[in-house]
Amino acid sequence: EAGVTQSPTHLIKTRGQQATLRCSPISGHTSVYWYQQALGLGLQFLLWYDEGEERNRGNFPPRFSGRQFPNYSSELNVNALELEDSALYLCASSFIRRLAGQETQYFGPGTRLLVL
Amino acid sequence: AQKVTQAQTEISVVEKEDVTLDCVYETRDTTYYLFWYKQPPSGELVFLIRRNSFDEQNEISGRYSWNFQKSTSSFNFTITASQVVDSAVYFCALSIQQGAQKLVFGQGTRLTINP
Repeated sequence: EAGVTQSPTHLIKTRGQQATLRCSPISGHTSVYWYQQALGLGLQFLLWYDEGEERNRGNFPPRFSGRQFPNYSSELNVNALELEDSALYLCASSFIRRLAGQETQYFGPGTRLLVL
Repeated sequence: AQKVTQAQTEISVVEKEDVTLDCVYETRDTTYYLFWYKQPPSGELVFLIRRNSFDEQNEISGRYSWNFQKSTSSFNFTITASQVVDSAVYFCALSIQQGAQKLVFGQGTRLTINP
């Protein structure tokens, strides 16, 4: 069974540009999560999408946004890039069993974003 | 608020030694979930184990074992007879509530196994 996939693996942008990162979940999973792993800041929750809707958002500015498509894949968009946006962006997926609590999140290999 | 503390930033041992990675968590919720993930140099987080707050049984999986103690809010991870391939950054994580679905991670412990 294929795992979570992300593209591109590496992305280089300059300040002020926009970045688009993509994620395909494990087959059968309906939820997609985005996390940022910046040097010195650890792993921080960004966004959670389930069934096409944004369900939860971390403490990030509005220029971090995303969406989930009908096939459950997801995009993360970062507008007006700043130097501190340089990080590894990890996508995870899970399926949600209603009333069953937290499901395990399985992670992809990540996209390394470098902002110059 | 929830918090996970991994006090050990880096650990270095010689192959075949046993090593324990500490994890202490904070939450006011009575229902919560604890996880351990491994992050090799490639960057991908690899799921190792999940434990529910109402299940305090310890678990052993091959060379790996986990000790969950609610009384001390700890969820420690032990690798027995460590191998070079165990070298990675290990993260402990916490999730609360059915609706929140986000993982709160500790800062990670970088484990180096020397041959």
